[in-house]
Amino acid sequence: EAQVTQNPRYLITVTGKKLTVTCSQNMNHEYMSWYRQDPGLGLRQIYYSMNVEVTDKGDVPEGYKVSRKEKRNFPLILESPSPNQTSLYFCASKLGGGADTQYFGPGTRLTVL
Amino acid sequence: DQQVKQNSPSLSVQEGRISILNCDYTNSMFDYFLWYKKYPAEGPTFLISISSIKDKNEDGRFTVFLNKSAKHLSLHIVPSQPGDSAVYFCAAMRGGYQKVTFGIGTKLQVIP
Repeated sequence: EAQVTQNPRYLITVTGKKLTVTCSQNMNHEYMSWYRQDPGLGLRQIYYSMNVEVTDKGDVPEGYKVSRKEKRNFPLILESPSPNQTSLYFCASKLGGGADTQYFGPGTRLTVL
Repeated sequence: DQQVKQNSPSLSVQEGRISILNCDYTNSMFDYFLWYKKYPAEGPTFLISISSIKDKNEDGRFTVFLNKSAKHLSLHIVPSQPGDSAVYFCAAMRGGYQKVTFGIGTKLQVIP
């Protein structure tokens, strides 16, 4: 089954404790992206990647890091999480750089205390 | 500065009637628009899209209309069904199709 998976689905952590949210897709998509969803702000793009070792900032990259060492994986790293990073996070992928449909993962709800 | 605006946070419609969800954008460089549907505890799923060279795209019960001069698009669902109850996000992309800008969403409730 074609899908985008994220782990963990739920995470409660404390300020300053480094964490990684994993994202994996099995569709051989070149493009992957991370979003956060907040009430009243909708979905905002954090980072995206056009291919292995090619990443770029979205609209809200501060406080986040990403890496793309393999085509299928695109982890989101919070080196020193803060309470304002409490949010619902979605990973997405699409075939290439064109106007293709994005496929979203199920989301990761992160709470930073 | 919100470049994609969905000014109605919620909408209630009777089953069988038409649902009209609206979206406005400010960036004239956007040339591709999409609608996504999101159920609770799930990721958004693609619904329908339209290129700026068109003014209408239809897929079954779903039709998207684009008015470039007004920088406005709308999603029509006819007839509305209870299973259509979800949050609908409008999104826009411009040349390169790497960055995607979403609106804040409209919660649609279809009443049986």
